[in-house]
Amino acid sequence: SQTIHQWPATLVQPVGSPLSLECTVEGTSNPNLYWYRQAAGRGLQLLFYSVGIGQISSEVPQNLSASRPQDRQFILSSKKLLLSDSGFYLCAWSTGGPEQYFGPGTRLTVT
Amino acid sequence: DQQVKQNSPSLSVQEGRISILNCDYTNSMFDYFLWYKKYPAEGPTFLISISSIKDKNEDGRFTVFLNKSAKHLSLHIVPSQPGDSAVYFCAAIMNRDDKIIFGKGTRLHILP
Repeated sequence: SQTIHQWPATLVQPVGSPLSLECTVEGTSNPNLYWYRQAAGRGLQLLFYSVGIGQISSEVPQNLSASRPQDRQFILSSKKLLLSDSGFYLCAWSTGGPEQYFGPGTRLTVT
Repeated sequence: DQQVKQNSPSLSVQEGRISILNCDYTNSMFDYFLWYKKYPAEGPTFLISISSIKDKNEDGRFTVFLNKSAKHLSLHIVPSQPGDSAVYFCAAIMNRDDKIIFGKGTRLHILP
């Protein structure tokens, strides 16, 4: 069966520090991968999605970036965090069908 | 501009009664609609979906109704149980696109 892992589960970082969140999927090949952010009162906002290694599409202009160095690995990064980057970050995967399956999430607090 | 709207931020329902969660959308090109359930500090879990060519899909206690002319869908949970207390997200997708568009969610409280 397929599983999706995200780490860390929680993170507290100062403004201006770098960020690296990792997501890995097991039990499937060539998944579509997604990064979402859930901010208070904003629902789920799609940040990036990837249909293959090295293929990244950005949905929202921001100081975040994403990379997909391996088929089942998706990384969310920032060189300098802003206060507004605080939120709950979710990774998801799909096999091209309409349903997406989410990881447990990372709670990021920028102080 | 929100393409998927959940106008009720919260809803309280007595245990055993029917919970009805509503969702409106603006884009007639959506091919598929989904409902996700989310507990605090966890990722959303897929609940039920419906294709735009159907008007009803049922799975156990959960039924989703789609009214294309009104661009409206609803999720019915009957009977409501304490474990149903969560945030419910309505979402929509176009077949030509791999991106799901989510509503802002409705928090459902099941009262004892």
